[in-house]
Amino acid sequence: GDSVTQMEGPVTLSEEAFLTINCTYTATGYPSLFWYVQYPGEGLQLLLKATKADDKGSNKGFEATYRKETTSFHLEKGSVQVSDSAVYFCALSPISSGSARQLTFGSGTQLTVLP
Amino acid sequence: DAGVTQSPTHLIKTRGQQVTLRCSPKSGHDTVSWYQQALGQGPQFIFQYYEEEERQRGNFPDRFSGHQFPNYSSELNVNALLLGDSALYLCASSSTGGAGYNEQFFGPGTRLTVL
Repeated sequence: GDSVTQMEGPVTLSEEAFLTINCTYTATGYPSLFWYVQYPGEGLQLLLKATKADDKGSNKGFEATYRKETTSFHLEKGSVQVSDSAVYFCALSPISSGSARQLTFGSGTQLTVLP
Repeated sequence: DAGVTQSPTHLIKTRGQQVTLRCSPKSGHDTVSWYQQALGQGPQFIFQYYEEEERQRGNFPDRFSGHQFPNYSSELNVNALLLGDSALYLCASSSTGGAGYNEQFFGPGTRLTVL
């Protein structure tokens, strides 16, 4: 079945440092890929997505590129802020359009940014 | 727009009891999915409801059941509670119309503790 493997945390960075969180996946066909963020006490929020190979998703300074050849979707940000402290989840869905299907999530990476 | 709402926020039950969790989807959404998030883990898909029927199901026992009402709201029922059912239960809603991928919007969750 489908699976997502995520870089284990926790990750602690100083403000303005560069962030990379690795994510690789196993799936049949052409899944859509996502990064979700979960702030303390809140539900999941979609951060960015990519629905086909070589697509780059971006939002709030975060970027991730859908690499089919390496089955990866690594999350990057050039300069993190204290407000970026949260848990980040990589996820996939088995389709690229239409009705949303089940999401398969990685185990999450806790990011703490220190001032 | 109130977004996805869930009730109750927290719940404490004892082993063997039954529990019902409730979800109201985002305005305009007709599909509801439920996920279980154990502490320190990524969410796991339980099932999805559309047009008052279960459309997809994850790897969860029959003790987990659900219902969707004509107004698209949904309930998750868990019978014969086990200690291992302690988790954050997340509801996500989405729509089936329009072009492109229909994003799932998550509620804040219900924290269930089984003693």
